Amino acid sequence: GQQVMQIPQYQHVQEGEDFTTYCNSSTTLSNIQWYKQRPGGHPVFLIQLVKSGEVKKQKRLTFQFGEAKKNSSLHITATQTTDVGTYFCAGTSGTYKYIFGTGTRLKVLA
Amino acid sequence: DAGVTQSPTHLIKTRGQQVTLRCSPKSGHDTVSWYQQALGQGPQFIFQYYEEEERQRGNFPDRFSGHQFPNYSSELNVNALLLGDSALYLCASSPMLSGGALTQYFGPGTRLTVT
Repeated sequence: GQQVMQIPQYQHVQEGEDFTTYCNSSTTLSNIQWYKQRPGGHPVFLIQLVKSGEVKKQKRLTFQFGEAKKNSSLHITATQTTDVGTYFCAGTSGTYKYIFGTGTRLKVLA
Repeated sequence: DAGVTQSPTHLIKTRGQQVTLRCSPKSGHDTVSWYQQALGQGPQFIFQYYEEEERQRGNFPDRFSGHQFPNYSSELNVNALLLGDSALYLCASSPMLSGGALTQYFGPGTRLTVT
C-alpha cells in the first residue's frame, strides 16, 4: 500500500537556526498537505500544494512539491521557540483518503 | 465561528465494550473524516463521510463504523474494544471543493483508553 515517510524523525536546533523536513511518498500524489501538531494538541492545517514543482511561502515557512509529485519539503528559516511541535505531511493519490507521514518532531533550544 | 468540536474529551473503557464518539464539523463544512492517532505516530485514516454516506474507508476492521447526520455531524462507533484501540481519535471537517482536494480542519480529539 501507499506509504509516506518523513525525515528526519527528530530535529533539535538552536533558536535562530534553519530547519527542513522532507516527505517522500511511494506513489505519485495528486496533492499534499502539511500540518503542525503541538505537544498535547491536534494537527493544524498549514498549507496545501497541488501543482508539480509548486513553491509556497508563509512568512518564515517555505513549502515545496517535487516535480514528480512524490516528494515535498518544509523549510523554516530562523526558527523560534513557537515553532516547536511535530510537522506532518499528508498526501493523497486521487482518492479522499489522506496518508499521513511519520512526522518530524522539532525541538528549538533557546 | 466555532471550529470542529468533539465529545467526550477523554474516555476510559474496558476491553470488549463499545464506544461512541461524536463530532460537530466547522460551520459550512459538509465532509467529515475520522482518524486514529496512536502515541508518537501520525494520524491514520479510518473513514470519511459525505452526504450521510461512507465515501472512503481506510484499513480498519468492521468493528469501526460511523454515521453522518443531516446536519453534517458524525459519530464513530467502535465495538468489541481491544487494548490496541487506545489512541487519540481525531475528527476533521472539510468544505467540499472541486477536484476533491479537501482542506482538513481537525478537532481537539477524544482520548480513548481501553483497560
